[in-house]
Amino acid sequence: GQNIDQPTEMTATEGAIVQINCTYQTSGFNGLFWYQQHAGEAPTFLSYNVLDGLEEKGRFSSFLSRSKGYSYLLLKELQMKDSASYLCANQAGTALIFGKGTTLSVSS
Amino acid sequence: DARVTQTPRHKVTEMGQEVTMRCQPILGHNTVFWYRQTMMQGLELLAYFRNRAPLDDSGMPKDRFSAEMPDATLATLKIQPSEPRDSAVYFCASAPPRQQHGQPQHFGDGTRLSIL
Repeated sequence: GQNIDQPTEMTATEGAIVQINCTYQTSGFNGLFWYQQHAGEAPTFLSYNVLDGLEEKGRFSSFLSRSKGYSYLLLKELQMKDSASYLCANQAGTALIFGKGTTLSVSS
Repeated sequence: DARVTQTPRHKVTEMGQEVTMRCQPILGHNTVFWYRQTMMQGLELLAYFRNRAPLDDSGMPKDRFSAEMPDATLATLKIQPSEPRDSAVYFCASAPPRQQHGQPQHFGDGTRLSIL
């Protein structure tokens, strides 16, 4: 079966750092994706991890531990425009299995 | 800038009516996915195609939903008859050939469907 868990909501202030966690229990694993989705818009790709460790991309970083079935997305120097839903997804074969997303609200 | 194009963007109709949603994948992409997004269930995979052949439609209610790819530039998702519980945002996504692990899917802007 497939089970992907992430917190429903998080809040933070501009300039801060926030970490969004994701745990997964899936029957297959070919990599872990993070997508960003602004309200009323399409999901857009942020990051991909297939090996353990940290992948850094500007203000955003993503971490994976395969043995623990755990990933996190780290957002630094938060900006108001980072207010969005962040979706964790496991690639099982070709398809992506998504978590329900974490809604991040950034305030000034 | 290559994009996945979905039509219509919005659809409101009465229950029992047929609904057809269309998707034009990015030129050169040969894998097409249909997802449904609701507040309760999040983003759920309904079906996907590779080279126009259906590979998996296990996420799709078979009695009323059907998905096809008449040609490489068009994918369709039909609901007949529609029911209020079908109200959701339906996303299409595409991916290139020989999708390597880590190559992301590209999403369209979605069709916002309301069944009254």
